[in-house]
Amino acid sequence: AQRVTQPEKLLSVFKGAPVELKCNYSYSGSPELFWYVQYSRQRLQLLLRHISRESIKGFTADLNKGETSFHLKKPFAQEEDSAMYYCALKDDYKLSFGAGTTVTVRA
Amino acid sequence: NAGVTQTPKFQVLKTGQSMTLQCAQDMNHNSMYWYRQDPGMGLRLIYYSASEGTTDKGEVPNGYNVSRLNKREFSLRLESAAPSQTSVYFCASSPTSGRGSDTQYFGPGTRLTVL
Repeated sequence: AQRVTQPEKLLSVFKGAPVELKCNYSYSGSPELFWYVQYSRQRLQLLLRHISRESIKGFTADLNKGETSFHLKKPFAQEEDSAMYYCALKDDYKLSFGAGTTVTVRA
Repeated sequence: NAGVTQTPKFQVLKTGQSMTLQCAQDMNHNSMYWYRQDPGMGLRLIYYSASEGTTDKGEVPNGYNVSRLNKREFSLRLESAAPSQTSVYFCASSPTSGRGSDTQYFGPGTRLTVL
């Protein structure tokens, strides 16, 4: 069975500081990984997917199959990045989510 | 487009009562999903429907039933509510029913409290 672990429930950083959200997975196959974000009073929405190798809102995430990780990084956090972030692993039709990390960016 | 809509937004039930959470999407998506969100546990899949006419159990299906009424609508029913079902429920849909990096689109959620 697949599993997604986000070890940090809460992460607090100062504006302008780097931020890294950790995500580890276990999956017996070729994984498809995503980061979803939920801003205050907004819907959960896709932030980025590993297959696109894109940078969204300054965030990047690299799939490291050797370490089975998909950490989310941003070099300079902004106050508007404060949100709940979920790492997710796709298995056929389904997504398995991690427990989520609440990020607070302080001025 | 409204995207994914859910009704009601809030609901309070007594133990043993039944209710149906409604979900509809106007994006012509094949797949639809029901999740529950609990603190410290993330989102857990209750049931999903890969395509119209099919439904399958997810990670936590006990105490729930679903109906894929048509391509647009996917309802979640609690036959006899229990306090353990107090949660925020999210419906989602996605455009493809096969492998690939398709995106799931989420509704605004229903906050359910069972007393």
